[in-house]
Amino acid sequence: GAGVSQSPSNKVTEKGKDVELRCDPISGHTALYWYRQRLGQGLEFLIYFQGNSAPDKSGLPSDRFSAERTGESVSTLTIQRTQQEDSAVYLCASSLGAGRETQYFGPGTRLLVL
Amino acid sequence: GQQLNQSPQSMFIQEGEDVSMNCTSSSIFNTWLWYKQDPGEGPVLLIALYKAGELTSNGRLTAQFGITRKDSFLNISASIPSDVGIYFCAGHRSGGSNYKLTFGKGTLLTVNP
Repeated sequence: GAGVSQSPSNKVTEKGKDVELRCDPISGHTALYWYRQRLGQGLEFLIYFQGNSAPDKSGLPSDRFSAERTGESVSTLTIQRTQQEDSAVYLCASSLGAGRETQYFGPGTRLLVL
Repeated sequence: GQQLNQSPQSMFIQEGEDVSMNCTSSSIFNTWLWYKQDPGEGPVLLIALYKAGELTSNGRLTAQFGITRKDSFLNISASIPSDVGIYFCAGHRSGGSNYKLTFGKGTLLTVNP
């Protein structure tokens, strides 16, 4: 079946603009995760959804970052008033449930803030 | 956030050589995972380890969950050019936030044909 998909694959924006990143999880996966990957770094946890609720938003770097999820489907990560330090690859993953369930990753959105 | 200590940062080897990389942590993890990331792609799970001391193989890959639950290693035998990529260790910590994966910084593997 289809894997996790993300759009856009690349995004170039100007400092101060808002951006919206989209994630389509694997059908039937109740858990969805957003991670950020800076150049040469490992993945940094941002937020976790179980269904459409977000029990853990602790990884969001600032109040400029927000995310929502519609049911057990699409999620959007919004970054307001982008800064250059927001430039990174934003990866989405989904899993059947939380805990030790295998997380399957999408290809990521490469964000460059000029 | 906390990251695992992964080494080496990079490796440049000849085709056919064996490779070993490892991760350590000051905290206990109850699951260790090894992912590979190709350029422009998301990480793909290679091996998952769920019990201390567990040794698991997947083709030419072998990984072990350390007895102390604070370390893991990944070995690749008889490397081939398509093994090129970034290898990440990751783990679930014990406790309430065990859905969250903590990642190492990755090992960049280059294989010279």
